[in-house]
Amino acid sequence: SQTIHQWPATLVQPVGSPLSLECTVEGTSNPNLYWYRQAAGRGLQLLFYSVGIGQISSEVPQNLSASRPQDRQFILSSKKLLLSDSGFYLCAWRTGTSDSDEQYFGPGTRLTVT
Amino acid sequence: GQNIDQPTEMTATEGAIVQINCTYQTSGFNGLFWYQQHAGEAPTFLSYNVLDGLEEKGRFSSFLSRSKGYSYLLLKELQMKDSASYLCAVMDSNYQLIWGAGTKLIIKP
Repeated sequence: SQTIHQWPATLVQPVGSPLSLECTVEGTSNPNLYWYRQAAGRGLQLLFYSVGIGQISSEVPQNLSASRPQDRQFILSSKKLLLSDSGFYLCAWRTGTSDSDEQYFGPGTRLTVT
Repeated sequence: GQNIDQPTEMTATEGAIVQINCTYQTSGFNGLFWYQQHAGEAPTFLSYNVLDGLEEKGRFSSFLSRSKGYSYLLLKELQMKDSASYLCAVMDSNYQLIWGAGTKLIIKP
């Protein structure tokens, strides 16, 4: 069966510090991978998605970046965090072979920038 | 622009039925998803509709009218564990999901 891992679960970082969030998927090959951010009381905002190794599409211009160094690994990074980067970060995957394929979400990372 | 509208919050009684509406305006349509999200947790998949009509799955049903840009999620025999946020999402012409802000459902005994 497929599983998706994210770490860390919670993170408190000062403004201006770097960030690295990691997501890994097990039990599937060549998944489509997604990074979302959810602010309190808001919907999910798509940040990045990837259809393959080294292929990253950015949906929102900001101080975040993403990389996919391996098929089942997706990393979200920032060189300098802003207060507005606080939120709940969710990694998701889907097989992408059918329109009806749902996205499966990891447990999320709650980031607080102070 | 693309827009998904859902009520912010709803309250219902244990054992009752509740209908959560979702209206959408998107560039293209390749299906509509409903997800459940408990507080502090990740969303989990509930249902998918791409054709008009009602899809039933146990206590939960989802309806779609593409001509009206409208969907609803129907929850029957409500249980306390159904207290959660319910997210509506539409897959657009680029096969990306556009998400609503979610409806927080409060179940009272």
